[in-house]
Amino acid sequence: NAGVTQTPKFRVLKTGQSMTLLCAQDMNHEYMYWYRQDPGMGLRLIHYSVGEGTTAKGEVPDGYNVSRLKKQNFLLGLESAAPSQTSVYFCASTPGGGTEAFFGQGTRLTVV
Amino acid sequence: GQQVMQIPQYQHVQEGEDFTTYCNSSTTLSNIQWYKQRPGGHPVFLIQLVKSGEVKKQKRLTFQFGEAKKNSSLHITATQTTDVGTYFCARRGMNRDDKIIFGKGTRLHILP
Repeated sequence: NAGVTQTPKFRVLKTGQSMTLLCAQDMNHEYMYWYRQDPGMGLRLIHYSVGEGTTAKGEVPDGYNVSRLKKQNFLLGLESAAPSQTSVYFCASTPGGGTEAFFGQGTRLTVV
Repeated sequence: GQQVMQIPQYQHVQEGEDFTTYCNSSTTLSNIQWYKQRPGGHPVFLIQLVKSGEVKKQKRLTFQFGEAKKNSSLHITATQTTDVGTYFCARRGMNRDDKIIFGKGTRLHILP
């Protein structure tokens, strides 16, 4: 049982490039989340999904897009990367409301 | 309105000393969750508190939920080097569209 898997684990982008981060969970969870973690800022919610085909904005959605075409996958896209998007990105999933979140191992993204 | 404030941001303690981190909200919480993140790792769920005045223990860790359900605390007795990491509280609702919002965390450093 892999749990929550994030791909890739590391990436370096040049300013203006685009990329997609993939989150996959094998626990049949309804809810999925994308967070970014920066020093001193904790975990900030970017976008989230409460089910297949749904997405919603979190605390810091600007510059990111997401899609949840399949229940097990939640994709985070950066259309035109900026240095301010240098961060560690975490994906999480939960079975439903009021339950614990399971996190992936994180993706360390550097934009130069 | 939805944020949870955590204090302190950093804490250095001598091994064997106790440690406490506090989580506060301006609004009533339906529940509070606590997570631990080891250096270089991902957040891992510790516990969820739901009831007013609830107290739960996990070995040397004691979690409390305030009577008014606006604050919570995590207390570690006799810290060990394995306690090193960042401790986060998080709020989430029970409704379908509710997000999981994290505090900024308290980073615990243990001095040998």
